[in-house]
Amino acid sequence: NAGVTQTPKFRILKIGQSMTLQCTQDMNHNYMYWYRQDPGMGLKLIYYSVGAGITDKGEVPNGYNVSRSTTEDFPLRLELAAPSQTSVYFCASRTRYSNQPQHFGDGTRLSIL
Amino acid sequence: DQQVKQNSPSLSVQEGRISILNCDYTNSMFDYFLWYKKYPAEGPTFLISISSIKDKNEDGRFTVFLNKSAKHLSLHIVPSQPGDSAVYFCAASLEYGNKLVFGAGTILRVKS
Repeated sequence: NAGVTQTPKFRILKIGQSMTLQCTQDMNHNYMYWYRQDPGMGLKLIYYSVGAGITDKGEVPNGYNVSRSTTEDFPLRLELAAPSQTSVYFCASRTRYSNQPQHFGDGTRLSIL
Repeated sequence: DQQVKQNSPSLSVQEGRISILNCDYTNSMFDYFLWYKKYPAEGPTFLISISSIKDKNEDGRFTVFLNKSAKHLSLHIVPSQPGDSAVYFCAASLEYGNKLVFGAGTILRVKS
């Protein structure tokens, strides 16, 4: 049972480059999320989606874009990468029912130099 | 403006003893609270949760207590085991599990 799978695990980008972080889940969860975690800090919500075709901003959306064309996939796009986007990125998913936990992938460690 | 605070960056406990991790929050509208455990190079793993209508929830060695008047949440681990050594995150939700707000985490070390 794979759960939430994120690729790549590590990536180094140059300033100004762009890339897409992939996230897929096999639990048929409606809700999906992207968080970033900076050193010594808690996770902060970037974007989330309550179903295919529906996305919304979280606490720190600037510099990122998302799409949700299928239930399984929720890619995160970085355009014009900046050093401030160096972080560990986590994708999560949960069912649509109330008071259910989010389940996380193992993260993508991204460095922008 | 930190809505969820874990004021102890680290905690060291002897194996077999109780570990108590604390969390304070400022928004009285939070309706669902969770604890996650995280090992290095892995994603957070759900541990235990509690709805705002309850004051206690137990699951094996783990118990979460909620004091709404004090806006305080705690996680008790009894007995503590070396495998419990990890970072523990407290999280709160405004929409019954949607859009979590996380604390900065507490590093727990259980010594054998």
